[in-house]
Formats: sequence, structure tokens, C-alpha cells
Amino acid sequence: EDQVTQSPEALRLQEGESSSLNCSYTVSGLRGLFWYRQDPGKGPEFLFTLYSAGEEKEKERLKATLTKKESFLHITAPKPEDSATYLCAVDAGNMLTFGGGTRLMVKP
Amino acid sequence: NAGVTQTPKFQVLKTGQSMTLQCAQDMNHEYMSWYRQDPGMGLRLIHYSVGAGITDQGEVPNGYNVSRSTTEDFPLRLLSAAPSQTSVYFCASFSRGEGTGELFFGEGSRLTVL
Repeated sequence: EDQVTQSPEALRLQEGESSSLNCSYTVSGLRGLFWYRQDPGKGPEFLFTLYSAGEEKEKERLKATLTKKESFLHITAPKPEDSATYLCAVDAGNMLTFGGGTRLMVKP
Repeated sequence: NAGVTQTPKFQVLKTGQSMTLQCAQDMNHEYMSWYRQDPGMGLRLIHYSVGAGITDQGEVPNGYNVSRSTTEDFPLRLLSAAPSQTSVYFCASFSRGEGTGELFFGEGSRLTVL
């Protein structure tokens, strides 16, 4: 059975304080790993897709990396507008399996 | 291009009532799905479809029915609502082999069962 675990569940940062979110996964035949951002009351919004170990993707203050067992979402010098829930998902078949998410709060 | 459209946005039901959550996409995606999101549980797959006339069960299918008569529409039916079905429901679609393979989500439907 495919499993995705995200940690920590919640993370509080001061503005400018860099950190990383973790997504560990167990799947048979990874076809892709996805990161999404979700704001309160909204649907998840796509950030990145990673396909193979060693791959990295960047977007503004966010950088996603992938190994054979986990993915990290690095946030550099975060701003209050980066506050959201970040979701990780794996594609190992017909649909995506999601982790529980990390709720990020960035204080000014 | 509206993307994925869900209706209604909010609904309150009494135990035992039935209802249908509507989902439509205008991107010609072959894959469509329904997820529910509960606090601390993340997004869990209810049912999905890989094309018109084809549906399959996800992780938590009990109490829900789906059908896919057209590429655009994928309604989710609750036949006899239970309080355990109180949740936020998301419809999502994607197309394999196009772009990043990402799921496009609707804005969600918040259902409360009393």
C-alpha cells in the first residue's frame, strides 16, 4: 500500500527564517512526486513535480528536492504570504496519494 | 477556460438525506477524481475515473456512488448521508502525458451532515 508521511504537522517561522518540510514515501513504482500549496477555504494549487532521485525544482523562495525515500521542500527567507498548508502527493498508479500536510505559519 | 467547477460550495443535510455534488471540467482531461479532506487526515481518494464510462473505487468509497457519462462531468452521489460524511469534498482532474501531469482542483464543497 502506498504511504506518504509529512513532517512536521505544523511549523511556525519568523519572517526570513529558512527551514525545510519533509515528505517521506513508500510506493511501488514512483511515477512522480507532487507538491501543492493550499490556502484556507481553497483547493490545492500545484507547485512542483519531481520524477527521479536527485531532481530539484525551484520557484521563488521554494525549492523541492527528491531522493529515493523522501522529498524536501526548502523555504528560503520566507515571508508572511508563504503561510499556507503544503501538501505532498505521490503518483504510483491511476491517482495521487496525499500526505497529511504541513501547516506553515510565517510571522512578520 | 473555467478549469474545474464544483457545486454547491456549501450544503447542510440531515442524516439519511441524499444529494449529488456536481463537478465539471472544460480541459478535456480523461482522469477525474473525488477526494475528501478532513482535519489531520489529508486528502483521501473516494472514487476516480480514467475516462467516460469507466469508474473505480479509491481509498474510502463506502457511502458514495459515481458515474461518468461524459468527459466533462463527474458527479458524486451520497445516497443516505451520515454524520461521518461531514467533510470538505474536492473534485480534481488531469491528463496523463500533458504538461506536468498535475491535478487541477476545484474550490471544494463543504458538506455538513446533522
